[in-house]
Amino acid sequence: EIVMTQSPATLSVSPGERATLSCRASQSVSSNLAWYQQKPGQAPRLLIYGASTRATGIPARFSGSGAGTEFTLTISSLQSEDFAVYYCQQYNNWPPLTFGGGTKVEIK
Amino acid sequence: EVQLVETGGGLIQPGGSLRLSCAASGFTVSSSYMSWVRQAPGKGLEWVSVIYSGDSTFYADSVKGRFTISRDTSKNTLNLQMNSLRAGDTAVYYCARAALQNYFDYWGQGTLVTVSS
Repeated sequence: EIVMTQSPATLSVSPGERATLSCRASQSVSSNLAWYQQKPGQAPRLLIYGASTRATGIPARFSGSGAGTEFTLTISSLQSEDFAVYYCQQYNNWPPLTFGGGTKVEIK
Repeated sequence: EVQLVETGGGLIQPGGSLRLSCAASGFTVSSSYMSWVRQAPGKGLEWVSVIYSGDSTFYADSVKGRFTISRDTSKNTLNLQMNSLRAGDTAVYYCARAALQNYFDYWGQGTLVTVSS
């Protein structure tokens, strides 16, 4: 099973600032990595797939990078609606499909 | 427009059974990879099961032998039969459509399953 580790667990950022979230895989997942955003009481929403491709309707301030075992989600200028929990998920080696533990982006 | 609507959650005693359903619209369940993903209260996301072409299925080790995923093509629904439920199965259960490579492009709103005496 591929273990996904996200850091930090919590990120405190001021509106307008840049946020950088990390995701590490226990073995290579190539570029088969997705990012999701989840707000309280809501289902997750797909942001990024293929490590760097934005899903339909996702603003350009969200960008993904990385390959192999190290991945980054960057939010270039945080808006109020971006404060949420973010999860990475690998789909290279399955079953099982595995998620990271999440990074909570909170208002500083 | 793609929509997924889960039903069937509720309070159930340990050892009991429950059947979740997910009604899909805007696409055909039988031609898609479909998964169940759960989230325990205050915790992260955990993949539970997948069904795809030819009715192939896989399960997380934590539910193998107790849960069964299936599709009803006549109703365009995804189902999850959950038996021998444990307290650790308490979670919001989401159905999700997987795009070509098993990342999830559409999610339902979730249904809460609480296993408690």
